[in-house]
Amino acid sequence: AQKITQTQPGMFVQEKEAVTLDCTYDTSDQSYGLFWYKQPSSGEMIFLIYQGSYDEQNATEGRYSLNFQKARKSANLVISASQLGDSAMYFCAMRELLVEGAGSYQLTFGKGTKLSVIP
Amino acid sequence: DAGITQSPRHKVTETGTPVTLRCHQTENHRYMYWYRQDPGHGLRLIHYSYGVKDTDKGEVSDGYSVSRSKTEDFLLTLESATSSQTSVYFCAIRAQNTEAFFGQGTRLTVV
Repeated sequence: AQKITQTQPGMFVQEKEAVTLDCTYDTSDQSYGLFWYKQPSSGEMIFLIYQGSYDEQNATEGRYSLNFQKARKSANLVISASQLGDSAMYFCAMRELLVEGAGSYQLTFGKGTKLSVIP
Repeated sequence: DAGITQSPRHKVTETGTPVTLRCHQTENHRYMYWYRQDPGHGLRLIHYSYGVKDTDKGEVSDGYSVSRSKTEDFLLTLESATSSQTSVYFCAIRAQNTEAFFGQGTRLTVV
């Protein structure tokens, strides 16, 4: 079973509109972390936002916010006021502890969502 | 920019030859990861390390081995390259409770 599921292979959004990218995860850990990364056509991976499993408030970073619903195991990325430069692949990722005591933290990614911003 | 360097950035090799990719960091971060990125599959974890000489397998480890003899270097070896290993390889580093920083990627073509 996939640990990170991104159900939207591609999405379109009008410039200046808000868009939500979906991410659901699967873990039995109580302590874990969720990340979103952006990959523009140039190929580099850019960190956007982080949410810890014990964080009570949803994370926000500028125009990015993470809608964290722990009971539903979802961590959706919301981009407000979309810009043309937001066109990119977006990846959701989860950090979870695999080996207690050894500190073995795995970092698993979803398959990504390609966002296209329309002028 | 996080101090992480991948080498080489591009490589073309023949089927059956050994290939080693290097990830070098200057951040003294504990965790290092190797991923491959293929269309439709996102980033898939090959191997990762949580300390010197401490490594573990990821989702797609078959055909790959790794070594980490010192904190700053994490090597990925394809013992006998196959065409199915043609991909873009990313290294990432991470400290405890922080985000991962990625290298620029290595484009490997096996012909």
